[in-house]
Amino acid sequence: NAGVTQNPKFQVLKTGQSMTLQCAQDMNHNSMYWYRQDPGMGLRLIYYSASEGTTDKGEVPNGYNVSRLNKREFSLRLESAAPSQTSVYFCASSSGGAGETQYFGPGTRLLVL
Amino acid sequence: QKEVEQDPGPLSVPEGAIVSLNCTYSNSAFQYFMWYRQYSRKGPELLMYTYSSGNKEDGRFTAQVDKSSKYISLFIRDSQPSDSATYLCAFDPYSSASKIIFGSGTRLSIRP
Repeated sequence: NAGVTQNPKFQVLKTGQSMTLQCAQDMNHNSMYWYRQDPGMGLRLIYYSASEGTTDKGEVPNGYNVSRLNKREFSLRLESAAPSQTSVYFCASSSGGAGETQYFGPGTRLLVL
Repeated sequence: QKEVEQDPGPLSVPEGAIVSLNCTYSNSAFQYFMWYRQYSRKGPELLMYTYSSGNKEDGRFTAQVDKSSKYISLFIRDSQPSDSATYLCAFDPYSSASKIIFGSGTRLSIRP
């Protein structure tokens, strides 16, 4: 099993460009999450999907959109990238419910110039 | 007041030392208490989790929760260079959405 995979690993964008970060899991998990990690700020939840067909905002959703394409895939879209969105983005999945372990992907490093 | 406070370090100790990592929190609704370990340029991975106050041991690692003081700790005995990583405390308020709140992480370096 690959676990949680993310693509791309690294991306450089210019301000105003758009891109989609891809995430897939092969653990048959119900819930999936997108986080960003910035120095000194820890992991902050952008959006999550508790189950296929549902998505909800997290702590820092502005400037992002998500799509739960199917049970395996959860994508994050930046419509018009800004330098403030320079960060490391992590996708995670869990079987859902309280106390369940979240499994993280390797991350996507995004630099917006 | 921040919901979770964690000293960012960096913390550098010699190999074999006992390491103590700590977090404080303010939300009484937190029910699950976790520690994630994150190696450089990798995603976090769950190291330990506890549900209630008290201690939980797993090999060289001990997680301690004091709900009355809203304080959790992770102890590492006989620390090894391979323990060098960032350690994030994490809290789950037992909501149906399973939204975990993470601390900002403590960078730990074990000197050979």
